[in-house]
Order: sequence, then structure tokens, then C-alpha cells
Amino acid sequence: NAGVTQTPKFRVLKTGQSMTLLCAQDMNHEYMYWYRQDPGMGLRLIHYSVGEGTTAKGEVPDGYNVSRLKKQNFLLGLESAAPSQTSVYFCASSYSHPAGVYNEQFFGPGTRLTVL
Amino acid sequence: RKEVEQDPGPFNVPEGATVAFNCTYSNSASQSFFWYRQDCRKEPKLLMSVYSSGNEDGRFTAQLNRASQYISLLIRDSKLSDSATYLCVVRGGGADGLTFGKGTHLIIQP
Repeated sequence: NAGVTQTPKFRVLKTGQSMTLLCAQDMNHEYMYWYRQDPGMGLRLIHYSVGEGTTAKGEVPDGYNVSRLKKQNFLLGLESAAPSQTSVYFCASSYSHPAGVYNEQFFGPGTRLTVL
Repeated sequence: RKEVEQDPGPFNVPEGATVAFNCTYSNSASQSFFWYRQDCRKEPKLLMSVYSSGNEDGRFTAQLNRASQYISLLIRDSKLSDSATYLCVVRGGGADGLTFGKGTHLIIQP
């Protein structure tokens, strides 16, 4: 059981380049999330998905797009990277309705992205 | 508006001591509360959920005070391995993820 995996682990982009971050989970979770973590800011939700084929905006969605074509995968895209998108990106998934008591989110190891 | 506030620390505590953190939240409609632990350059991991009646897991005790809108974490007999950042996490009623505090950095000293 790999849990939540993310690729790549590290990436350096130039301003204006595009890239896709891949998140995969093998726990059959319905819900998946993308967060970014910046020094002094804590984790902030970018986009999330409550099931295959669905996506929704979180707290800081601008500059990002997502897709959930398969239940186990959640892709985060940067169409035109900016230095402000330099961050650590974490994907997470959860196995139950978020409003339930036992709604632990399992996180991937993160992707460290630098935009020059 | 700061939805979840924590003292960033660092808290420097000798091994074996007891340490407590508090966290305040602004949304009175929040339904679920958690403490996550994050080691340096690693992903956050659930430490424990926080229940209305308070709960204990080994050396860790979590309390919720809905009237004053804060949660607390108490660590007894602290170990060197407890050194980490502790994230206070709150969820509202919707499906839109969790609201994280910025974390409290704990350093256990030998």
C-alpha cells in the first residue's frame, strides 16, 4: 500500500513555463485535495475534488487548474508559472465524508517547486 | 481575518517535561478539530482528533472548549522524538478541506 504519492518530488521552472503535478492514491478515497505550504502562511487549499469527474475551488485557486479523470488520480496544472507559485505542494485524500468525525486526510510527501 | 491562530513558538522544553499548546478558531460553526504533526520537510500526519469531551492517546491529551473557541494539546513526559511542528486544524461543515493553523514549533532538548 503506497498511500498517497506525488510526482515529481522537485522541479525548477522558468517564469511562463507550464507543468503538471500528479497525485495518486491507492486507498480508494473519494475526496482529494491540493494544498500549498509557504513559510509563515500555513497550508492553504488550492482545489479539491469530491469524486471522479468533479472539482471545486479552494482558498487560493488562481493560476491553477485541476482534473480528476480517474478516482485514484488528481492532477494540478500550472499553465504559466509565476515566481509567486514557488512553494511546497501537498496532495491529500480522505476516505469518508469530510463532515464526519473520522475524516482523516492522508498527505503525500510533497512537491517542492521553484519558479525563477 | 485569521481563522485559526497558534503561537508559532518555538517552545524549547527539556526532555521529560510537560508542554501545552493552545489554538483559537474564529468560525463558531466549525464541526471537526484535529491536531496534525509535521516533521521538518515532511508531510503533515494526523496526531489525533479532538472530541467535545476531551480525549487522550498515551502521553497526549486534547481538549475542546467550544464556548471560548479554542482547542489545546498537552504532551506529558516529552521525548526527543516529539520535536516537530504541531498544526491545529479545523473543519467546517462543507467538503472544502481543512483550515490549518500556521503551526507551533516544539523543540525537546536533552
